[in-house]
Amino acid sequence: DSGVTQTPKHLITATGQRVTLRCSPRSGDLSVYWYQQSLDQGLQFLIQYYNGEERAKGNILERFSAQQFPDLHSELNLSSLELGDSALYFCASSVAGVIDTQYFGPGTRLTVL
Amino acid sequence: AQSVTQLDSHVSVSEGTPVLLRCNYSSSYSPSLFWYVQHPNKGLQLLLKYTSAATLVKGINGFEAEFKKSETSFHLTKPSAHMSDAAEYFCVVSEDNDMRFGAGTRLTVKP
Repeated sequence: DSGVTQTPKHLITATGQRVTLRCSPRSGDLSVYWYQQSLDQGLQFLIQYYNGEERAKGNILERFSAQQFPDLHSELNLSSLELGDSALYFCASSVAGVIDTQYFGPGTRLTVL
Repeated sequence: AQSVTQLDSHVSVSEGTPVLLRCNYSSSYSPSLFWYVQHPNKGLQLLLKYTSAATLVKGINGFEAEFKKSETSFHLTKPSAHMSDAAEYFCVVSEDNDMRFGAGTRLTVKP
């Protein structure tokens, strides 16, 4: 158990819909990262937040957005969903920056029908 | 922008024999490099990382990797494979807080 929690574990929705994925980091970690893992694209870094502020951006689509709240939990919002958004979405946390050890959550599996 | 290439999509070894998973990277300057492991239906776990200190990095579970700047490589090795090592392995390069993952190498360990 990494100490990072993600909810929900599974999510099934339809094209055009909007969903929110939630992540709670390990106690004491200030950074949260979001990743997408799909068969087509492999593992991709989406975005990093550090202590409530956006720190780094990867291959995140404009239809996707994230935020980190004062209690340090984070949400990833995916809107206007397409079939190709079906993937496993991981959250990770670390003490501060990218070079710190990241601890990964179990992931949320999103299926868009 | 940085990039990483894992040279083998699948590696199969017998239990007790050495493991070599190959990774080449490209980077504008001194990158940070990582190896992660993903067991089936699990999140990723950090095996080891290189952040411009010693070029030979030791990680968990007997794995190690050597940073070779002249060859732009960061290959992962283990002297003796165990059945529990069967998993997907990802090489990652990081520069300017951006991270790029390799396509992954699936390691199969035969009894």
